[in-house]
Amino acid sequence: QKEVEQDPGPLSVPEGAIVSLNCTYSNSAFQYFMWYRQYSRKGPELLMYTYSSGNKEDGRFTAQVDKSSKYISLFIRDSQPSDSATYLCAMKTLMYSGSARQLTFGSGTQLTVLP
Amino acid sequence: GAVVSQHPSRVICKSGTSVKIECRSLDFQATTMFWYRQFPKKSLMLMATSNEGSKATYEQGVEKDKFLINHASLTLSTLTVTSAHPEDSSFYICSASTVGGADEQFFGPGTRLTVL
Repeated sequence: QKEVEQDPGPLSVPEGAIVSLNCTYSNSAFQYFMWYRQYSRKGPELLMYTYSSGNKEDGRFTAQVDKSSKYISLFIRDSQPSDSATYLCAMKTLMYSGSARQLTFGSGTQLTVLP
Repeated sequence: GAVVSQHPSRVICKSGTSVKIECRSLDFQATTMFWYRQFPKKSLMLMATSNEGSKATYEQGVEKDKFLINHASLTLSTLTVTSAHPEDSSFYICSASTVGGADEQFFGPGTRLTVL
């Protein structure tokens, strides 16, 4: 079993739709959760960074974390064609002072928003 | 802020040659840099973690003699693919991070390596 599971898609939605992207994880030591957006042939770009269970909102994006269920989500409201990209969830354990912590990535979900 | 650059963005080389990829943190000091490899439509696979001034820590299955990593300063890390072969063709991405605070990783734009 992978530590982080993510449906690879592809997912196609019409412009203006609400998009829901999800990841589950098995390692209860993961405490920090991130969502990255990656356009084709580009490096990942950080969208959301959360620690606590609950919701965090930033513009059209909402990140949701449920540590009890080991489940995280990213919601995109009023989706736009420019949101078409691969979305990667990532997570890491608690930090310690010696070195930055590694990220464990999901496999990524390819999203296409149709105009 | 928090910009990471990679050079070159794309490289094509002949089999048997060595290729060096640079990763620079442009506006912050990166105590730790990570090197990833990504195959088409696949997720990022961590190859190694390097801390400034010390030897890199390689993930299981990654040949350290083939993928040489140097992190000589707080703003520069290099990955050298030695004696490259076609199976080394891939998208290589670095990220840079600082210890403390949010411990956030900032990613470079990636380098597309094609070995003929």
